[in-house]
Parts: sequence; C-alpha cells; structure tokens
Amino acid sequence: QKEVEQNSGPLSVPEGAIASLNCTYSDRGSQSFFWYRQYSGKSPELIMFIYSNGDKEDGRFTAQLNKASQYVSLLIRDSQPSDSATYLCAGNNAGNMLTFGGGTRLMVKP
Amino acid sequence: GAVVSQHPSWVICKSGTSVKIECRSLDFQATTMFWYRQFPKQSLMLMATSNEGSKATYEQGVEKDKFLINHASLTLSTLTVTSAHPEDSSFYICSARGTSLSEQYFGPGTRLTVT
Repeated sequence: QKEVEQNSGPLSVPEGAIASLNCTYSDRGSQSFFWYRQYSGKSPELIMFIYSNGDKEDGRFTAQLNKASQYVSLLIRDSQPSDSATYLCAGNNAGNMLTFGGGTRLMVKP
Repeated sequence: GAVVSQHPSWVICKSGTSVKIECRSLDFQATTMFWYRQFPKQSLMLMATSNEGSKATYEQGVEKDKFLINHASLTLSTLTVTSAHPEDSSFYICSARGTSLSEQYFGPGTRLTVT
C-alpha cells in the first residue's frame, strides 16, 4: 500500500469553478505536506506546503490538513485552463524524505 | 523560488554507452540532493538520495553500479547511467534541498532516450 494516495483522475472542472484535489496518507508521523504542480513533460514545481491542522490560503489556492483523518486537500478557486496539470501531494516520512502520491490529473475546460 | 539546473535537458545515446547528467543548485547550498525517474504517465520514483561528500543511498531495486551518483560539492551532483539500455529511457529529475523540507526544488529534468 502506498503511503500517500491520490485519485489519478482525470478530474474535470469547468473554467471558473473550484477544483478540489484530495490526498490521504498512512504515516501518522508525517508532519509536513506539500502540493506540487507538474505540467506534462516538465518537472514538478512547489505550490504550497502546510504543517498545521486547518486551512492555509495563498491566492487562489487553499491547502487543508486534517491530521486526525489523515487527509490533505488542495482547493483551486476560479480554475483556469492554465491550471490543467497533474498535482502531486507529498508528505515527509520518518527519514524526513518526501513521499509522493501518484498524482491527480486536473483538466479545466474553457 | 530557488533555481536548480540540469544538463543536458535531453540526450539520445546508443545502447551500451554511458550518460552523465549534471544537477546544480544555482543560488543556494544543497545539503541533500535527490534523483528521481519518471516514466510516461507515472509518478515520480525516488532512485537515490545523496549528501555532499557521502555515498548515495539507493532505493530498493535501484542498481547502484548502474546508476552512479556523485555529490562532490554543495551545489553539484551528477548521475551517470552506465551501459544504458532502451529500458533506461525515461525522464530523470534531480531535486535539491537546502536546510528545510520547504526549501526543496526540482530541476527541469533530463529526457534520456536510449536507442
């Protein structure tokens, strides 16, 4: 069983809608979580990180962490076609390395 | 964010030859560097972790004699794919970390094609 799980998608949302991306993790020792965006053929780029329970907002992006339920989510408001990409969730493991989920492919349709 | 460069961005080589990929952190000192491999439509697979001046730690199933990693300085790590075969064709991405997990940045990747 993978330590970080994501639905592979694709998740399709219309332009202007809210895209909700979810991630669950199995390692209760994980404290830090990261969301990366990866365009096709490109390397991942960090969008946000979150350490504390609750919400963290940055522009159109909101990361949510619920340690009791072991899930992390990323909300993208006012989705744009340029947001179409694969979103990778990652958490730190006992060795303080990042463990990546398989990624969710998001498609924002004009 | 910080900049991590990789060279070359793409390379085509013949089966049996070796290829070296360089990864540099341009504006910060990377205490740890990571090498990932990604096949089409699949997620990142960590190959190895290296700390400056130390031997790399390889993930299970990754042949250390085939994928040679050298982390000679705080700004440079190299991955050499020795005796490359067509099944080694993949997208190789390095990542460099500074002092914290949030200070981990990816290079642009190197697309290797072995013919």
